[in-house]
Amino acid sequence: KAGVTQTPRYLIKTRGQQVTLSCSPISGHRSVSWYQQTPGQGLQFLFEYFSETQRNKGNFPGRFSGRQFSNSRSEMNVSTLELGDSALYLCASSLQAPNTGELFFGEGSRLTVL
Amino acid sequence: GENVEQHPSTLSVQEGDSAVIKCTYSDSASNYFPWYKQELGKRPQLIIDIRSNVGEKKDQRIAVTLNKTAKHFSLHITETQPEDSAVYFCAAHGSSNTGKLIFGQGTTLQVKP
Repeated sequence: KAGVTQTPRYLIKTRGQQVTLSCSPISGHRSVSWYQQTPGQGLQFLFEYFSETQRNKGNFPGRFSGRQFSNSRSEMNVSTLELGDSALYLCASSLQAPNTGELFFGEGSRLTVL
Repeated sequence: GENVEQHPSTLSVQEGDSAVIKCTYSDSASNYFPWYKQELGKRPQLIIDIRSNVGEKKDQRIAVTLNKTAKHFSLHITETQPEDSAVYFCAAHGSSNTGKLIFGQGTTLQVKP
C-alpha cells in the first residue's frame, strides 16, 4: 500500500507570492491533517479535513487555507508569503480521525521564502 | 485553547541508561496520547500510544504512563541504544471527534555510545 505522498518536496518562493501544496493520503484514509514544522516550535497544527469538510483549524492567519477533494486528496495554500512561513509542511492521514489510530505522515514539503 | 508542554527540549544519556520525557496537557477532555519519533531527515512515526482508560502501557523497552488527575503523561525508554537518538513528540487529542491532535515542542534525545 502506498504511503502518504506530498508534492512538491522542495520549493523556493519570494515574499508576497502564494504557494499550493498537495497531499495524497493512504488509500482508504479519509482524514488528512496538516502541520507546520519549524526548529524549536515542534509540529504546529494547521487544519484537519474529513470527507471534504474542515473539522478543525489551528491558530494560523487566514492566509493559510486548505481543502479536500472527494478522493481524499488535500491541498493547502498560503497566500502573501512572509519570511516566517519558511518551514517544513507535513501532511498526515488516518482512517477516521487522528485519535482512532496511527497518524501516517508524508515526507513533507520544505518551503523556503526569500 | 488546547496546549501541550513537553520537557526537556534536549536530553543526552549514555548508552544503556534510561530516558524520561514528560508532557502536560491543558484540555481535560483529552483522551488519546500518542508518542511519535522523528529521526533526522525522516517523517515522524508512531512508537506508542495510550488512552485515558489506561494508566500505563509497555512495549519492549518503551513505556508510557498517564496521570489524568495531574494532566501529564511520560515516555520512558530503558536500556537506551544509539538508534534511539531522534526527536520525540508527545501529543494529545480531545474527546470530541474534531480531528485535532496537538503536539508538544519535541525532545531531542542523544544517546552516546
